Amino acid sequence: GGIITQTPKFLIGQEGQKLTLKCQQNFNHDTMYWYRQDSGKGLRLIYYSITENDLQKGDLSEGYDASREKKSSFSLTVTSAQKNEMAVFLCASSILEVQNTLYFGAGTRLSVL
Amino acid sequence: EQQVQQSPASLVLQEAENAELQCSFSIFTNQVQWFYQRPGGRLVSLLYNPSGTKQSGRLTSTTVIKERRSSLHISSSQITDSGTYLCAMEPANTGKLTFGDGTVLTVKP
Repeated sequence: GGIITQTPKFLIGQEGQKLTLKCQQNFNHDTMYWYRQDSGKGLRLIYYSITENDLQKGDLSEGYDASREKKSSFSLTVTSAQKNEMAVFLCASSILEVQNTLYFGAGTRLSVL
Repeated sequence: EQQVQQSPASLVLQEAENAELQCSFSIFTNQVQWFYQRPGGRLVSLLYNPSGTKQSGRLTSTTVIKERRSSLHISSSQITDSGTYLCAMEPANTGKLTFGDGTVLTVKP
């Protein structure tokens, strides 16, 4: 079976810092996603990518950049961390147009001091 | 406007009781999924149910597309069913799976 690996698991940053989160999948899935999950809230889509070098903005893309250099990896950059920000960032992947194969990583928990 | 609304926000049951979770959508969709997340755990897909009724073990989902709603029924709840249940839908052919805020289920002995 495949797996999605997110690194790091925990990330502590300073206000204004640029922070990068990484995601790797070995399912050979076409589409990859970055979601943000705030406490008590559902997931909000930041960016997604339907193939290598493709990028599509989600509902929460402002303040973030993303990069899909190869099919198996999708990285997310927080361009300027906000003070006291706390959230979990979830990476997911799926086969194009087959949503019932959506798999999630374990998440990166971000805290900004 | 939030596109996916879930109710109730939280639910407390005694073990062996049944649970009924609801999800409604502000727009039409043909892609509906239910996910589960244990506290601190990974999100996992429970059921993909774009229309009609689908069953998996003690879980039954019913989606009525023309009424823009879906439900998840959990029969004979167990303590290990505790966690957050999330409903998600994709506006037609956008590739953007949009989630509700979830229902937090607590099953007590």
